[in-house]
Amino acid sequence: GAGVSQSPSNKVTEKGKDVELRCDPISGHTALYWYRQSLGQGLEFLIYFQGNSAPDKSGLPSDRFSAERTGGSVSTLTIQRTQQEDSAVYLCASTLKIGGGMSDTQYFGPGTRLTVL
Amino acid sequence: GDSVTQMEGPVTLSEEAFLTINCTYTATGYPSLFWYVQYPGEGLQLLLKATKADDKGSNKGFEATYRKETTSFHLEKGSVQVSDSAVYFCALSPNSGYSTLTFGKGTMLLVSP
Repeated sequence: GAGVSQSPSNKVTEKGKDVELRCDPISGHTALYWYRQSLGQGLEFLIYFQGNSAPDKSGLPSDRFSAERTGGSVSTLTIQRTQQEDSAVYLCASTLKIGGGMSDTQYFGPGTRLTVL
Repeated sequence: GDSVTQMEGPVTLSEEAFLTINCTYTATGYPSLFWYVQYPGEGLQLLLKATKADDKGSNKGFEATYRKETTSFHLEKGSVQVSDSAVYFCALSPNSGYSTLTFGKGTMLLVSP
């Protein structure tokens, strides 16, 4: 597609339920990032994928959070046993390549707004 | 670790006023610097970037110059419009390895007619 897409755009769930958030990066982009935007914390890095592997998961806030990427394309962020503090906008971004000593521009999707009741 | 500090908002201006949003950073090495903008109800969009010291990024009348000596990347525009009302985020990423972004907390700009 022309840009990064995410689904669903909005998700309301009850505390304790599991949720899956999907990101479809720009075609051909090898690097994929998940961020979280919340009122109290601003924009925080969660996890980074290069291809299907995740060399940096340091931003995942707890073991209830996990993510995978298949076929070097679509990624799914899963939150198990959701808590109210998980309420936030979850953003996905992709870049064409890494390395060469230069940072590549990240292109962001519209985000998924998660509300945990 | 790396960090970005932005002036707190909201910044309230009248149309055609001059805009400055301050941004300073702390990082090891020589990062790339970015300004992203988030319009109401929309996702993050790259506004401009600079990849090395003394570079000037510019787009849509906005400018920012990478100042290594003051570790700053202040955003400026000579004459703001109502349509510039948005939240502006300063960010950095290291120029080594992968390019995870570290963001400032964002500055809301409100422009009135």
